[in-house]
Amino acid sequence: AQSVTQLGSHVSVSEGALVLLRCNYSSSVPPYLFWYVQYPNQGLQLLLKYTSAATLVKGINGFEAEFKKSETSFHLTKPSAHMSDAAEYFCAVSQPKAAGNKLTFGGGTRVLVKP
Amino acid sequence: ETGVTQSPTHLIKTRGQQVTLRCSSQSGHNTVSWYQQALGQGPQFIFQYYREEENGRGNFPPRFSGLQFPNYSSELNVNALELDDSALYLCASSSVIAKNIQYFGAGTRLSVL
Repeated sequence: AQSVTQLGSHVSVSEGALVLLRCNYSSSVPPYLFWYVQYPNQGLQLLLKYTSAATLVKGINGFEAEFKKSETSFHLTKPSAHMSDAAEYFCAVSQPKAAGNKLTFGGGTRVLVKP
Repeated sequence: ETGVTQSPTHLIKTRGQQVTLRCSSQSGHNTVSWYQQALGQGPQFIFQYYREEENGRGNFPPRFSGLQFPNYSSELNVNALELDDSALYLCASSSVIAKNIQYFGAGTRLSVL
């Protein structure tokens, strides 16, 4: 079984400040990990993925995440927030080689960017 | 290259009715997954189709069923609608080469009254 916990359902940051979104996972096998972003009334857009290559993963829009096996974490960061980063962010896990590739999502973190 | 498209975008039904949601996968993708996203929650996996066969199912009752067609498009059918079925239904497609990367459509917002 696999699960994802995102700490903080809401995060408020000032424009230009660091964005840090926390994600911890539970998986019986080394997982694949993903961050998706969802803008209002839209579907999910893939920000970045970890699939057992480099542990520091760079994604779109200046985001990056680091896979830490010892901490079972995959936190998302962006050095400088922009107003356009206001959205909901979801961390997800899947199991390689499992039948199908279903994603298990966390509950999401809504980011508010203050001017 | 077209992305994942879903129809309709919004739908209102009453309790007990049946609904069919449709999804066209991204060009070159042969696997389609469906997710239910209740308000304020993360998406929950319903099921996945690969080459017209169900290839995994989440904790959803049998009144949630699906189909995949030879062109890899898909339908999600829900019978005997309940109020709790009100949600955003998301379709995602993936390819054999990059099967662990799923690309999502904009979703269908279903309201059950």
